[in-house]
Amino acid sequence: GAVVSQHPSRVICKSGTSVKIECRSLDFQATTMFWYRQFPKQSLMLMATSNEGSKATYEQGVEKDKFLINHASLTLSTLTVTSAHPEDSSFYICSARGQLNTEAFFGQGTRLTVV
Amino acid sequence: AQSVTQPDIHITVSEGASLELRCNYSYGATPYLFWYVQSPGQGLQLLLKYFSGDTLVQGIKGFEAEFKRSQSSFNLRKPSVHWSDAAEYFCAVGATWAAGNKLTFGGGTRVLVKP
Repeated sequence: GAVVSQHPSRVICKSGTSVKIECRSLDFQATTMFWYRQFPKQSLMLMATSNEGSKATYEQGVEKDKFLINHASLTLSTLTVTSAHPEDSSFYICSARGQLNTEAFFGQGTRLTVV
Repeated sequence: AQSVTQPDIHITVSEGASLELRCNYSYGATPYLFWYVQSPGQGLQLLLKYFSGDTLVQGIKGFEAEFKRSQSSFNLRKPSVHWSDAAEYFCAVGATWAAGNKLTFGGGTRVLVKP
């Protein structure tokens, strides 16, 4: 199957700083990327959907000014958590789908810890 | 709105025994159904999917699932589990295949395998 790489796999940042998470499709062009958040021992919750070259569509309750999503190319989407707080600590997972794919492929996830 | 319920939070099974994970969905039209597996600290791997056609779907790692419209269910089965099957399993539903990767996930079932 297609490969999606997420970086970093783990990051620790200080409260008030920003952190960027990258999601790359390595062997296909990702026309659509999805960002999910997973709290410990809970399910995945969709945060936003981004299409290449367009503004991301955020799910209800997700602060677009706090979680900045950029999908500037067909192989890269970034999620920036701005002014991070301890409650933003979570596991963030991206998935990517190409135009001809019937499914999306998931990255390995990023464990964010805000101290 | 679509929703997914996985009634069992934890399941413990002996190695070599059969496994069945339950999944019930709520959706007004024909759903697009998926089963994913997640190892600790990792992303999601697709086990199988149902879009249409044969209601018994074969997946990777010896898993299969059966779509039962009358019961709104999509249960996952494996005849004989291996210790490596210990993981978290998520059932998910999508509205269409194109938007089908904007997925709604169930709460997950954690599978423990006893030697």
